[in-house]
Amino acid sequence: EIVMTQSPATLSVSPGERATLSCRASQSVSSNLAWYQQKPGQAPRLLIYGTSTRATGIPARFSGSGSGTEFTLTISSLQSEDFAVYYCQQYNHWPPITFGQGTRLEIK
Amino acid sequence: QITMKESGPTLVKPTQTLTLTCTFSGFSLSTSEVGVAWIRQPPGKALEWLALIYWDDDKRYSPSLKSRLTITKDTSKNQVVLTMANMDPVDTATYYCAHRLGIRSWALDIWGQGTMVTVSS
Repeated sequence: EIVMTQSPATLSVSPGERATLSCRASQSVSSNLAWYQQKPGQAPRLLIYGTSTRATGIPARFSGSGSGTEFTLTISSLQSEDFAVYYCQQYNHWPPITFGQGTRLEIK
Repeated sequence: QITMKESGPTLVKPTQTLTLTCTFSGFSLSTSEVGVAWIRQPPGKALEWLALIYWDDDKRYSPSLKSRLTITKDTSKNQVVLTMANMDPVDTATYYCAHRLGIRSWALDIWGQGTMVTVSS
């Protein structure tokens, strides 16, 4: 099973600043990595797939990068609605499809 | 427009079997490359993938839960059903179904609202 490790667990950033979230895979997942945003009481929302492709309707301030085992989600200028929990997911080696434990992005 | 919605009991007793239904619209599970997955999330915890089913009835399960899970589809009703046997309090979670993004990708682009299941006697 591929273990996905996200860091940091909690990230405190001020609105308007840049946020950088990390995700590491225990072995290479090629580019088969997705990012999701989840707000309290809501289902996850797909942000990024294939490491760097934004899903439909996702603002350009969200970007993904990386390959192999190291991946990054960057939010270029944080808006109030961006404060949430973010999960990475690999779908390269499965079953099982695996998710990271999440990074909570909070207002500083 | 694709929509997904989960339904099932909110409370089950330990050792019982849970049956959840995902009813969807906006696509057909008889179309090539289409797939639906189930994922759960215990309160305050991370997401856990459970199972998936393809348009051709191919199925995959989480190895750790495989012995307890069964996933089926009813194409005529636009439904996917997940059963989980021998429920335990640790299975208390919100259960989601989700639509596969597309070919060669098991990113999940459309999710249901989730259904909360509590396991308690």
